[in-house]
Amino acid sequence: AQKVTQAQTEISVVEKEDVTLDCVYETRDTTYYLFWYKQPPSGELVFLIRRNSFDEQNEISGRYSWNFQKSTSSFNFTITASQVVDSAVYFCALSGLNQGGKLIFGQGTELSVKP
Amino acid sequence: GAVVSQHPSRVICKSGTSVKIECRSLDFQATTMFWYRQFPKQSLMLMATSNEGSKATYEQGVEKDKFLINHASLTLSTLTVTSAHPEDSSFYICSARWWRDYNEQFFGPGTRLTVL
Repeated sequence: AQKVTQAQTEISVVEKEDVTLDCVYETRDTTYYLFWYKQPPSGELVFLIRRNSFDEQNEISGRYSWNFQKSTSSFNFTITASQVVDSAVYFCALSGLNQGGKLIFGQGTELSVKP
Repeated sequence: GAVVSQHPSRVICKSGTSVKIECRSLDFQATTMFWYRQFPKQSLMLMATSNEGSKATYEQGVEKDKFLINHASLTLSTLTVTSAHPEDSSFYICSARWWRDYNEQFFGPGTRLTVL
């Protein structure tokens, strides 16, 4: 069975603080993909990153960075110097190679960045 | 590129009526589309997988007779909520899988359904 756990339901920070959103996954597939999406109040999902299971290199994109560790089945997301515009719900998702491309989403973490 | 549209963006209907939601891939062909449902403050739950030219595959617990899915072309899938009730009120999101990359999905903007 596949499962994604985002233990942090809500996080509140003050602007310019760094914040890390946790994601832990379970899968029996040896080949799989991990994703992060942002969902602002408008509801539309915004794709942030995709990582395959064979690429454990950390990724940095501007203020965003991702730490993928297969040993702990985690794919954490850090926002550096957070801004009010970062306020949204963030979802971590998993797609196993043998699952027909289906995405399994975590419960989501609602991030609130206060000025 | 890789734009997916949904129509309508919002719909309000009376209990007992049927509502059709369209999902279109505007600039690419999508052999597979997925339909998700999201209740307030909850995650996205996959309802069904729609393959062009064949019957949809529904996830466990999703009533296939209530949520009719038709994927008649490589750019259009429709979800019809039949005899809608207030508990069907939700945010419905579709995604389309690009034929070139099995693990790439592009999401539509969603349709907010309110059943009175």
